[in-house]
Amino acid sequence: KQEVTQIPAALSVPEGENLVLNCSFTDSAIYNLQWFRQDPGKGLTSLLLIQSSQREQTSGRLNASLDKSSGRSTLYIAASQPGDSATYLCAVYQGAQKLVFGQGTRLTINP
Amino acid sequence: NAGVTQTPKFQVLKTGQSMTLQCAQDMNHEYMSWYRQDPGMGLRLIHYSVGAGITDQGEVPNGYNVSRSTTEDFPLRLLSAAPSQTSVYFCASSPLVGRGNTIYFGEGSWLTVV
Repeated sequence: KQEVTQIPAALSVPEGENLVLNCSFTDSAIYNLQWFRQDPGKGLTSLLLIQSSQREQTSGRLNASLDKSSGRSTLYIAASQPGDSATYLCAVYQGAQKLVFGQGTRLTINP
Repeated sequence: NAGVTQTPKFQVLKTGQSMTLQCAQDMNHEYMSWYRQDPGMGLRLIHYSVGAGITDQGEVPNGYNVSRSTTEDFPLRLLSAAPSQTSVYFCASSPLVGRGNTIYFGEGSWLTVV
């Protein structure tokens, strides 16, 4: 059974710092991996989707990497801003549409 | 486009009552699914559908029923609510094929069973 783990559960950093969020998964036979952002009381917003054949994806200040052999993905956030404060969720696709989620990392950026 | 729309946003039920959480999408997506989110547990898949008339169970299906009579709608039914079903419920949809296709989530439905 696929298990997805995100460490740390919570992270607080000062504004302007570069930071890395970690995601690990137990079964390397994944279809895709996706990072989401969730604001309090809201749904999930897709940040980056990495297909299993890809090593990384970039969008603005965000960069996500994927290493299937080691069962790891990282989300790098450059020059963090208070508006980046949210919970970040990593999800692994088991097949084309079934997602297995990690528990999330709650990120706080302090002005 | 409205995307994925869930109703109601908030609901309080008494133990044993029944209710239906509604989900509709206007993107002509074949795949729709329901997840629940509990503190410390992440999101877990309840039921999913790959098209009208086709549904299947996810990781935590007990206590929930679904049907898919149209491409647009995928309601989730609680037949006899229990306190353990207190949770936040998310509906999602995506195209059925294609490695580059992302999944879209609704805003969530907060359910409390007392």
